[in-house]
Amino acid sequence: KNQVEQSPQSLIILEGKNCTLQCNYTVSPFSNLRWYKQDTGRGPVSLTIMTFSENTKSNGRYTATLDADTKQSSLHITASQLSDSASYICVVSDRGSTLGRLYFGRGTQLTVWP
Amino acid sequence: EADIYQTPRYLVIGTGKKITLECSQTMGHDKMYWYQQDPGMELHLIHYSYGVNSTEKGDLSSESTVSRIRTEHFPLTLESARPSHTSQYLCASSEGTSGSFSHLYEQYFGPGTRLTVT
Repeated sequence: KNQVEQSPQSLIILEGKNCTLQCNYTVSPFSNLRWYKQDTGRGPVSLTIMTFSENTKSNGRYTATLDADTKQSSLHITASQLSDSASYICVVSDRGSTLGRLYFGRGTQLTVWP
Repeated sequence: EADIYQTPRYLVIGTGKKITLECSQTMGHDKMYWYQQDPGMELHLIHYSYGVNSTEKGDLSSESTVSRIRTEHFPLTLESARPSHTSQYLCASSEGTSGSFSHLYEQYFGPGTRLTVT
């Protein structure tokens, strides 16, 4: 069964600190892995997308890593800001789907305190 | 920011009413999707479309229906709303037609409609 598991479920950090979010997946055949940021009451917005040949991808203060062998990914946020408070969703794409089907994790709810 | 819009953003309605959630995109994308999301849970695909006059049911069974008469418009209708339909509904679109490279295309999401049925 294709699944995406994220940890931790929620996380509270102080402004300026770093944090790392984890994602494990069992989606096969694997195409790519995406990290989305979803603000409360809004739709998800893409942060990074990585194919199986990419180990790391950065977007400003966000750095995603991918280990296709162990089927694990992480999202590292550097020097957190109050605006980073959101849900971060790990999403995996299935290469065998003509639809471009996506498998979603439940997200990690990050809260940044001043 | 993606050019995909949803209205209304919030809707509170009584049981038994008929409702239509609107979704439109100005990017000329052929593929469009409807997802349902409950608090703290993952997004579930409930409907999708490959293009005009194409609609399919997704993974999660839903009593809603959709139509795709125009490329840019993909409305979702509930004929008789029930409290169990209370949820957030997200619309998305992506480039490309049906094909072997579909998995590579980005999906762009609208802001969502928060539906509450009393």
